[in-house]
Amino acid sequence: DGGITQSPKYLFRKEGQNVTLSCEQNLNHDAMYWYRQDPGQGLRLIYYSQIVNDFQKGDIAEGYSVSREKKESFPLTVTSAQKNPTAFYLCASSTLTGQYNSPLHFGNGTRLTVT
Amino acid sequence: GENVEQHPSTLSVQEGDSAVIKCTYSDSASNYFPWYKQELGKGPQLIIDIRSNVGEKKDQRIAVTLNKTAKHFSLHITETQPEDSAVYFCAANPRQKVTFGIGTKLQVIP
Repeated sequence: DGGITQSPKYLFRKEGQNVTLSCEQNLNHDAMYWYRQDPGQGLRLIYYSQIVNDFQKGDIAEGYSVSREKKESFPLTVTSAQKNPTAFYLCASSTLTGQYNSPLHFGNGTRLTVT
Repeated sequence: GENVEQHPSTLSVQEGDSAVIKCTYSDSASNYFPWYKQELGKGPQLIIDIRSNVGEKKDQRIAVTLNKTAKHFSLHITETQPEDSAVYFCAANPRQKVTFGIGTKLQVIP
């Protein structure tokens, strides 16, 4: 079955440590995205990538880094510079279409807790 | 950039009743309006979408309407069932960057 796999589902880290969240897709989608979800704040875009070896900052990129070395993979690193890292992180992918945009396909998220 | 407002933030309905969730957007360049359903502990899933050249779209118990002049779009769920209980997000994307509404928590009371 095609889809997006995020791992792990739960992640616990001590403050000051960097942590990397995994996201893999087998949908052959060109674009991949990382969103952060906090209670009452909807989904906020961290980074997105439309092609291998290229990515753009979203609305809340500070304290995060990404890489896109393969079409299928888009890992997110939460660095110690991120002031409030505890959140639910969602990875998504989509095709790139012409006039109209295409829907996002989401993974089931990683809940990160930093203490 | 795009700004999407969604209301209500919470909605409780009796099983069998209808539910309506409304969104407004600000960027007239937005041309694609998806709706996502998120169940507890899972990622959002697309349930219906509408493009700017269409005013209404229906899929069984779910329908979406779009008023481009007023920059409004709405989700309508008829004959609600307990499994419709979830958080619903609207979204708009004038370009590849999607902007989401804040979400509506729908509770269907049996």
